[in-house]
Amino acid sequence: DAEITQSPRHKITETGRQVTLACHQTWNHNNMFWYRQDLGHGLRLIHYSYGVQDTNKGEVSDGYSVSRSNTEDLPLTLESAASSQTSVYFCASSEKYNSPLHFGNGTRLTVT
Amino acid sequence: GEDVEQSLFLSVREGDSSVINCTYTDSSSTYLYWYKQEPGAGLQLLTYIFSNMDMKQDQRLTVLLNKKDKHLSLRIADTQTGDSAIYFCAEEAGGYNKLIFGAGTRLAVHP
Repeated sequence: DAEITQSPRHKITETGRQVTLACHQTWNHNNMFWYRQDLGHGLRLIHYSYGVQDTNKGEVSDGYSVSRSNTEDLPLTLESAASSQTSVYFCASSEKYNSPLHFGNGTRLTVT
Repeated sequence: GEDVEQSLFLSVREGDSSVINCTYTDSSSTYLYWYKQEPGAGLQLLTYIFSNMDMKQDQRLTVLLNKKDKHLSLRIADTQTGDSAIYFCAEEAGGYNKLIFGAGTRLAVHP
């Protein structure tokens, strides 16, 4: 069955380190998204991509970057981790406009 | 600006109906969504409604949309303990398939 997989499920890192969270989907979806979930804020969009070599900034993109070198993967990189980036990160994908988003199970990141 | 608001908590008795409310700000939103999140998991799409509809029913779920007041509600009939979860309202605003989520309503179902 097609799926969307995030790794790792849990990560603890130190302030200032570079961290990359992986997202891999096997639906062959063009659209991929990264959200962060924080108590009281719901999900906020970090970056998104509508296809290979396409990346766009969301509402909370500062300190994060993404790259889309193939259809299946959209890794999220924290250039220099900060304690404010402690959060649960969700990756999602969709086939086309008005297709539902399929979410991964999330990565819980703690920055100490 | 774009903003989606929901109450944070709802407690209901098993077998009763639950109504979760949401307000949004972008009148140009084409689609509005309800997602469900269970502990330790990602979000799953429950249902969605197109902006030219007033109501959509899907088994135990009823979605009502009041475009004039920018108000969306989700009614769950005969609420069960398995319905305990966080429910997110989301609007499609600001671009192609980009969703703006509310903070989520935690639904607690008690016997």
